[in-house]
Amino acid sequence: LAKTTQPISMDSYEGQEVNITCSHNNIATNDYITWYQQFPSQGPRFIIQGYKTKVTNEVASLFIPADRKSSTLSLPRVSLSDTAVYYCLVGVPHSSASKIIFGSGTRLSIRP
Amino acid sequence: DTAVSQTPKYLVTQMGNDKSIKCEQNLGHDTMYWYKQDSKKFLKIMFSYNNKELIINETVPNRFSPKSPDKAHLNLHINSLELGDSAVYFCASSQLAGGTYNEQFFGPGTRLTVL
Repeated sequence: LAKTTQPISMDSYEGQEVNITCSHNNIATNDYITWYQQFPSQGPRFIIQGYKTKVTNEVASLFIPADRKSSTLSLPRVSLSDTAVYYCLVGVPHSSASKIIFGSGTRLSIRP
Repeated sequence: DTAVSQTPKYLVTQMGNDKSIKCEQNLGHDTMYWYKQDSKKFLKIMFSYNNKELIINETVPNRFSPKSPDKAHLNLHINSLELGDSAVYFCASSQLAGGTYNEQFFGPGTRLTVL
């Protein structure tokens, strides 16, 4: 099972770009990389998913190098409301038997 | 409309009691999950059901028994509650058939406190 490693916490300021990097050295060929966001007292919410290179949606960008042993979630121009815990996980998205593992997450704090 | 709902939101009970947490999703998804989030915020999968069939059963005490009466519901019954069962339990669902992404939709969580 691919294990992920993320920084425990990060701080930034409103308007800045925030990049959170996740290491997954043992990622398997069929694994995808997915990021979730969790606010206090709420369930996690899907942000973005990718397999390789770059994926962008209205919320974030996901950069995946060729070796796929790491990935970087990029949040452009963060606001106070982006303060949350961000989880990186790897797994096979189309398999109901995929044992998707959430790591400890990165607690992102945004200051005015 | 709430996509994934759980009841109750808070549950406080004594050791040794039996309790149930209900989960319903109105997204038409074919797969549902139960997760446990402990005080350190680690989120661990407990069970996964696909079309009412148990797919994933992690190392969970057999005091925990999921029940899926239909695709839209996955309830969690816990017997003989212990102090260590105190946590937030999240239900989630996803649609695995077709599409590129396996986006899991999570419920609001049930905070279980065992005294």
